[in-house]
Amino acid sequence: EAAVTQSPRNKVAVTGGKVTLSCNQTNNHNNMYWYRQDTGHGLRLIHYSYGAGSTEKGDIPDGYKASRPSQENFSLILELATPSQTSVYFCASGGLGGAEQFFGPGTRLTVL
Amino acid sequence: AQSVTQPDARVTVSEGASLQLRCKYSYSATPYLFWYVQYPRQGLQLLLKYYSGDPVVQGVNSFEAEFSKSNSSFHLQKASVHWSDSAVYFCALTTGYQNFYFGKGTSLTVIP
Repeated sequence: EAAVTQSPRNKVAVTGGKVTLSCNQTNNHNNMYWYRQDTGHGLRLIHYSYGAGSTEKGDIPDGYKASRPSQENFSLILELATPSQTSVYFCASGGLGGAEQFFGPGTRLTVL
Repeated sequence: AQSVTQPDARVTVSEGASLQLRCKYSYSATPYLFWYVQYPRQGLQLLLKYYSGDPVVQGVNSFEAEFSKSNSSFHLQKASVHWSDSAVYFCALTTGYQNFYFGKGTSLTVIP
């Protein structure tokens, strides 16, 4: 079964600070994704990747960067965190050619 | 453009009652369709998926869904719900060549 882990699980950051959210998957999936989940909006795609070294912008990329240094790892970076980025962030892998995506447990980020 | 609509933001049913959660999609061809469930403070877990063939697909925990091309729908059903089915349910679509499109979710409350 696909295993996607995220760290940290909870994070409190200050406005203007840098935040890095990490994701690791052990199923050798090429595709990985970062979403944020907010009440009333469902899941919104921030960035995604087709493999090591690639990152693509999703629907709401402003204020976020992504990094895919290896097949297993995909990071989401907030260079200058703002309170509007307070949310729950989910990483997912898979989804190639119609296959399902497998989700991590989420990271709850609060920006004060 | 592709999209997924879940018209009911919240559904409340009594334990033992039958359930239908609605999902409508927009796509000119037959998409790949999924239902995911999210329990509190967890990531999304796959319930079932439809690729082609028999329009009724079986999933985990006695859930099933019926695909209708004529109605552009993929409704989730369960004959008898349990209090532990209380969760948020997401319908999702992919064309196989693009990313996933998620509905905004339906929050299900089962009254014991």
